[in-house]
Amino acid sequence: DTAVSQTPKYLVTQMGNDKSIKCEQNLGHDTMYWYKQDSKKFLKIMFSYNNKELIINETVPNRFSPKSPDKAHLNLHINSLELGDSAVYFCASSQQGQPELFFGEGSRLTVL
Amino acid sequence: RKEVEQDPGPFNVPEGATVAFNCTYSNSASQSFFWYRQDCRKEPKLLMSVYSSGNEDGRFTAQLNRASQYISLLIRDSKLSDSATYLCVFLNSGGSNYKLTFGKGTLLTVNP
Repeated sequence: DTAVSQTPKYLVTQMGNDKSIKCEQNLGHDTMYWYKQDSKKFLKIMFSYNNKELIINETVPNRFSPKSPDKAHLNLHINSLELGDSAVYFCASSQQGQPELFFGEGSRLTVL
Repeated sequence: RKEVEQDPGPFNVPEGATVAFNCTYSNSASQSFFWYRQDCRKEPKLLMSVYSSGNEDGRFTAQLNRASQYISLLIRDSKLSDSATYLCVFLNSGGSNYKLTFGKGTLLTVNP
């Protein structure tokens, strides 16, 4: 049973395209996150949602739009993809008040 | 000063060796501290929390020095399976917002 699952695992696309990554967690957690890990392996938070409400929005271009239809799902839509968007995007979840994050396996995005 | 600075590594050690990593943080309001482990092309996973008095988990010892604003991780009797990237992580919280800040990680390779 996968606790935090994200799809697709791999995504190769052209500059200018729009793509989405989906994330679902079955842990019953109420907080979900998107992190970006670039080629230098630096893991940086992008967004955090608590019970479908956006609570953390780091300095991320407007081309990135998260959507949380319910507290078990947090999707990431990216418009007008750029070369610099190439990275591994990790979804994670936690229980409010608990600092441990449970990560998905990551979605490796390559923009050509 | 960067929020989080880790030993750059990489560390290449023989099996059985003892190895230590340090990590400094700039935000004196950081409240909680952790070490995460990330295997190659995998997601990060919590290794251990770091308590003020220092704590051990088998071959792993974590310590916190608030005065100097750093944490450390000591691995004794290294195993091949310890090869991974070790990420130091700091938690800052305000209200319902929990923000984990990750270091860039230190790559450890344990050689036979």
